[in-house]
Amino acid sequence: GAGVSQTPSNKVTEKGKYVELRCDPISGHTALYWYRQSLGQGPEFLIYFQGTGAADDSGLPNDRFFAVRPEGSVSTLKIQRTERGDSAVYLCASSLYFAGGTDTQYFGPGTRLTVL
Amino acid sequence: AQSVTQPDIHITVSEGASLELRCNYSYGATPYLFWYVQSPGQGLQLLLKYFSGDTLVQGIKGFEAEFKRSQSSFNLRKPSVHWSDAAEYFCAVGAPGGADGLTFGKGTHLIIQP
Repeated sequence: GAGVSQTPSNKVTEKGKYVELRCDPISGHTALYWYRQSLGQGPEFLIYFQGTGAADDSGLPNDRFFAVRPEGSVSTLKIQRTERGDSAVYLCASSLYFAGGTDTQYFGPGTRLTVL
Repeated sequence: AQSVTQPDIHITVSEGASLELRCNYSYGATPYLFWYVQSPGQGLQLLLKYFSGDTLVQGIKGFEAEFKRSQSSFNLRKPSVHWSDAAEYFCAVGAPGGADGLTFGKGTHLIIQP
């Protein structure tokens, strides 16, 4: 079956612009996660959805970052007024359900965001 | 809050030799532990995970890991590496009952020498 897909695979934008990154989870998975991976670092948790609601957005770095999942499937990560420091690979993962940290998360290939 | 340390940034191993990648975690109780592999241009793939029970866990691609509570470690091992094992390896910890995703280490880059 299809895995987690993310579009675009690469996004180049200018400082100050708005970007949207899309994640399509594995069909039937109710939990969805966003992570950010900077160069030479491990993924860093941003936000997690159980169904349509953001169950935990404690990892979002500031209010320029926002994510939605209106129908409980596809999710969009939105970044306003992008800054050069936002350049990173943004990873999406999904799991069948959230089980308090035990669920196996399946990762997409990521979107590489470059802010010039 | 939990944390993960992978002390080795790079490791070089000859093809056919054994491998051990180190991972130390910090967490107040028994954590959930994971090893993921990331190949260039690929997403993270789960190798194995530990929740409870037998402290030696078997994973895919011939990997295994041992949970040692006394050392707060979860080292990854493979008896004989193949050139295709060259990749970035990440150890991660999840907090039971927590809602903050996984906490990853910075990764170990594995280089395989012919």
